[in-house]
Amino acid sequence: DIQMTQSPSSLSAAVGGRVIITCQASQDISNFLNWYQQKPGKAPKLLIYDASNLQTGVPSKFSGSGSGTDFTFTISNLQPEDIATYYCQQYDHLPLTFGGGTKVEIK
Amino acid sequence: QLQLQESGPGLVKPSETLSLTCTVSGGSITSNNYYWGWIRQSPGKGLEWIGNIYYSGSTYYNPSFKSRVTISVDTSKNQFSLKLTSMTAADTAMYYCARGGKGGWYGNDPNWLDPWGQGTQVTVSS
Repeated sequence: DIQMTQSPSSLSAAVGGRVIITCQASQDISNFLNWYQQKPGKAPKLLIYDASNLQTGVPSKFSGSGSGTDFTFTISNLQPEDIATYYCQQYDHLPLTFGGGTKVEIK
Repeated sequence: QLQLQESGPGLVKPSETLSLTCTVSGGSITSNNYYWGWIRQSPGKGLEWIGNIYYSGSTYYNPSFKSRVTISVDTSKNQFSLKLTSMTAADTAMYYCARGGKGGWYGNDPNWLDPWGQGTQVTVSS
């Protein structure tokens, strides 16, 4: 299975600040990577697919980049409603696998 | 707006079989463009993809579950189901169903999962 390693596992940032999360795949996955947001007590929600494409209806404050083994997810202008855990997920090889998550809090 | 809703028992005894159903509303499960999947989440193992099914009945399973899992579809009811046999405490988790996209190198492989149902907590205990 392809292992997905996210860092950091948690972070805190100021309102209005920028958050950067990284995700590293255990092998080359091209751009076959998605990012999800999971708010407390809720199901995950797809934010970005194919590493950098914003899902319909998702604010442009969220962005993704990368290819191969190294990927980045960024939140600009952090707001209280962005408090959540964020996950990466690869689909280059089955089984689909997820990163361990990054919990984002307000400082 | 597409919605998915899981249903099934919240408590299962060790060695028994878990049966969950996902009801899809606001769209047809027979769409050519999507799969339908099951995912679980536990504090110890995080998010684990269990498997996907296409409306024709073709399936993709996670090898970690393959000997215990069956996913089926009932197009007449717009539902798909999960059966997981030989349940143990390690299977205690929140179970989600979700719509799956198609993509990858050949355009037909499972890729993203969205939207998800609200989830159903399953506890394995005697």
